[in-house]
Amino acid sequence: KAGVTQTPRYLIKTRGQQVTLSCSPISGHRSVSWYQQTPGQGLQFLFEYFSETQRNKGNFPGRFSGRQFSNSRSEMNVSTLELGDSALYLCASSSGQFKGSEQYFGPGTRLTVT
Amino acid sequence: TQLLEQSPQFLSIQEGENLTVYCNSSSVFSSLQWYRQEPGEGPVLLVTVVTGGEVKKLKRLTFQFGDARKDSSLHITAAQTGDTGLYLCAGAWIQGAQKLVFGQGTRLTINP
Repeated sequence: KAGVTQTPRYLIKTRGQQVTLSCSPISGHRSVSWYQQTPGQGLQFLFEYFSETQRNKGNFPGRFSGRQFSNSRSEMNVSTLELGDSALYLCASSSGQFKGSEQYFGPGTRLTVT
Repeated sequence: TQLLEQSPQFLSIQEGENLTVYCNSSSVFSSLQWYRQEPGEGPVLLVTVVTGGEVKKLKRLTFQFGDARKDSSLHITAAQTGDTGLYLCAGAWIQGAQKLVFGQGTRLTINP
């Protein structure tokens, strides 16, 4: 099976711009979760989508949003970028069928905001 | 607030030595997972533990789940330079949302 893919791998944006990141899960997985990873805060949960519906949400401002398509692919959008949004954004897919399903991560998108 | 604490945060040892990394919480987990992350890559799942007192071995790595399912440990025997990386534990609490919560990680460096 192909693994989780994320595009783009690297991105440089300026403050105030918006960005869209894409994630293709492992075939058959219906859950996609997004995480932000920074050296200071570690891995922080953004949100999870399951069968096109947001099932869980972390403590991030409304500038961070996402969606999931019928083929389980997911996108994450960040509007009005701030310097503090610079981070590695990781997407993970799982079967999502039970609590604490094992997560399979993509390589991440490294976002730099200048 | 449910917290998942890992210790130590940083560990640097010589090749051939043994080490243990800990993951603790005040709440009960329904399951707990360990991941390893290398620079520029996403975390990779190493193991999942579900039953209190469970011990799982993966070559030189031994994972243990506490009897009360509130803590876990990862022990590496005869560490090798290839073991270098960020080790993350992640758990889903019985009382809580379905999402997985990650610890801050232990950055392990094995020196030749």
